[in-house]
Amino acid sequence: DAMVIQNPRYQVTQFGKPVTLSCSQTLNHNVMYWYQQKSSQAPKLLFHYYDKDFNNEADTPDNFQSRRPNTSFCFLDIRSPGLGDAAMYLCATSREAGRNNEQFFGPGTRLTVL
Amino acid sequence: AQKVTQAQTEISVVEKEDVTLDCVYETRDTTYYLFWYKQPPSGELVFLIRRNSFDEQNEISGRYSWNFQKSTSSFNFTITASQVVDSAVYFCALSFYNQGGKLIFGQGTELSVKP
Repeated sequence: DAMVIQNPRYQVTQFGKPVTLSCSQTLNHNVMYWYQQKSSQAPKLLFHYYDKDFNNEADTPDNFQSRRPNTSFCFLDIRSPGLGDAAMYLCATSREAGRNNEQFFGPGTRLTVL
Repeated sequence: AQKVTQAQTEISVVEKEDVTLDCVYETRDTTYYLFWYKQPPSGELVFLIRRNSFDEQNEISGRYSWNFQKSTSSFNFTITASQVVDSAVYFCALSFYNQGGKLIFGQGTELSVKP
């Protein structure tokens, strides 16, 4: 089945140790999003790619970077994770940006920072 | 301001009861889109419905129904004859044509359906 896949589902890292989260999609969608969701909170958009165009949210910390080497894959890099970065990270895709295109979400990666 | 408010943090019902989840939004734009997503304990957000601001028709899909009222800026979600499998966090969200599809989520309502 076409879907959004996130690996790993659970990631443990140490304070300050760089970590990379992975997202892949078989939907051939143009847009890929990364959301951060802290416990009992709503998801918050970090950034998105429209094809190869990167769009950063104004309040996304510099500690968070992203790469999209091709249509299918998108990576979230956290350069120096702090305790406050512990959260669920959700990847989503949509066919087009804007309008009323629904977003399809992956199962998320739960990040623990020790 | 662009904002979504889900005033009900937690709701608990007994199976077969009807339940309504409230969603109120704020925007000055005339073109916008409203969504409901379900997040079960597994964590994956599941799309339920979208509505654009020009379509105020209510919608029914099985046990689910949605009531969109622009006059009160509300987009409420009703589950009829609730089931244990409906237990999840439900998010209402707002997006706009010129913001790259960014979803602005409400804080979510955690629904617990007890047998």
